[in-house]
Amino acid sequence: EAGVVQSPRYKIIEKKQPVAFWCNPISGHNTLYWYRQNLGQGPELLIRYENEEAVDDSQLPKDRFSAERLKGVDSTLKIQPAELGDSAVYLCASSSGEPMNTEAFFGQGTRLTVV
Amino acid sequence: AQTVTQSQPEMSVQEAETVTLSCTYDTSESNYYLFWYKQPPSRQMILVIRQEAYKQQNATENRFSVNFQKAAKSFSLKISDSQLGDTAMYFCAFMKWSNYKLTFGKGTLLTVNP
Repeated sequence: EAGVVQSPRYKIIEKKQPVAFWCNPISGHNTLYWYRQNLGQGPELLIRYENEEAVDDSQLPKDRFSAERLKGVDSTLKIQPAELGDSAVYLCASSSGEPMNTEAFFGQGTRLTVV
Repeated sequence: AQTVTQSQPEMSVQEAETVTLSCTYDTSESNYYLFWYKQPPSRQMILVIRQEAYKQQNATENRFSVNFQKAAKSFSLKISDSQLGDTAMYFCAFMKWSNYKLTFGKGTLLTVNP
């Protein structure tokens, strides 16, 4: 079974440009997470979905970040316009959402460099 | 809000020896899950071990075991017979039972030396 798939793996953009990241979770997983991980730091939650609903977006900088999860499957995370401080690795993870099966599976991430 | 603290930014161990990574957390929840994740240089986060807070018995997975002290809110990871492939960042994480919110610590960089 395929794991969590993210694309692209790497992205370099100039500041003020838009950028989008895509995530395909494990089939059947209702819960989807987007995290941002700065160099040498732990992942920080940006947004969490239960099916199509964003149930926790309190850490998402809504002035420039947006996300969607159409049909409760794939998800995209967008930044517009990007700033230098947005350079980081963006991780997507999914879990089944079942109480006894709470493991979150992670994708390989997208490394964003804003120049 | 839940917080997870890993007080050891870096650690090193000789191959075949045992090492313990520390983690403490702060929560008012009574039901929750705790995890240790490993992130090798390739970047993909991999689950190492999981502990349910309602279980008193410490979880074990082959060479990996935890010391879960619920009253002290402590959750340390012991790696026995360390191998070169254990070199990675290790993250302690907390998940609320009620909403599956997953919060990570800042990580510990473990280096296993030959």
